[in-house]
Amino acid sequence: DAGITQSPRHKVTETGTPVTLRCHQTENHRYMYWYRQDPGHGLRLIHYSYGVKDTDKGEVSDGYSVSRSKTEDFLLTLESATSSQTSVYFCAISEDRVTTNEKLFFGSGTQLSVL
Amino acid sequence: AQRVTQPEKLLSVFKGAPVELKCNYSYSGSPELFWYVQYSRQRLQLLLRHISRESIKGFTADLNKGETSFHLKKPFAQEEDSAMYYCALRGMGRRALTFGSGTRLQVQP
Repeated sequence: DAGITQSPRHKVTETGTPVTLRCHQTENHRYMYWYRQDPGHGLRLIHYSYGVKDTDKGEVSDGYSVSRSKTEDFLLTLESATSSQTSVYFCAISEDRVTTNEKLFFGSGTQLSVL
Repeated sequence: AQRVTQPEKLLSVFKGAPVELKCNYSYSGSPELFWYVQYSRQRLQLLLRHISRESIKGFTADLNKGETSFHLKKPFAQEEDSAMYYCALRGMGRRALTFGSGTRLQVQP
């Protein structure tokens, strides 16, 4: 497995509280992504980063913010968690390669429950 | 806009039977298509990509631009193929992948 660590692995929180999920990589890959996985929706992109301090929104970015102050860390923050944000969150990374054959490497996921 | 559709949530077959997991896409340009797989208690991982025209674990997938499809096929299913399968698309100039909703393949003995 690629060197990707997500923390925490599991989190239970209450509606309205802030939550931060961390993704740490040891591969020195340029690109990092946050996806959420929900039944019937598959994986949906929340935000991604193409370098330190360079981020962009995905298709379901409302209610989420991200930060990337170092190449190895990509943080996902729920400013005020809602029950609709109960999900499994996956971090992924990919290299910056000229060819089109680069692939995503995924972390093991964070199960977040918002009560 | 780009979209990936996997019409089957669950596909159940018997061991040795042929398998076809359907994937249709909507994209105006020339896409890159992928299949990712998630086995039980394992990380999501790349299975194959259309640009490589490869066969992995007996699976193949052909990009049909006329039908905008990228179906995943295997002639003889094995129990170890049981997993969640996701079709994914990358649009030109885009870095992130768009995933379908996934199909759970269940291979019964």
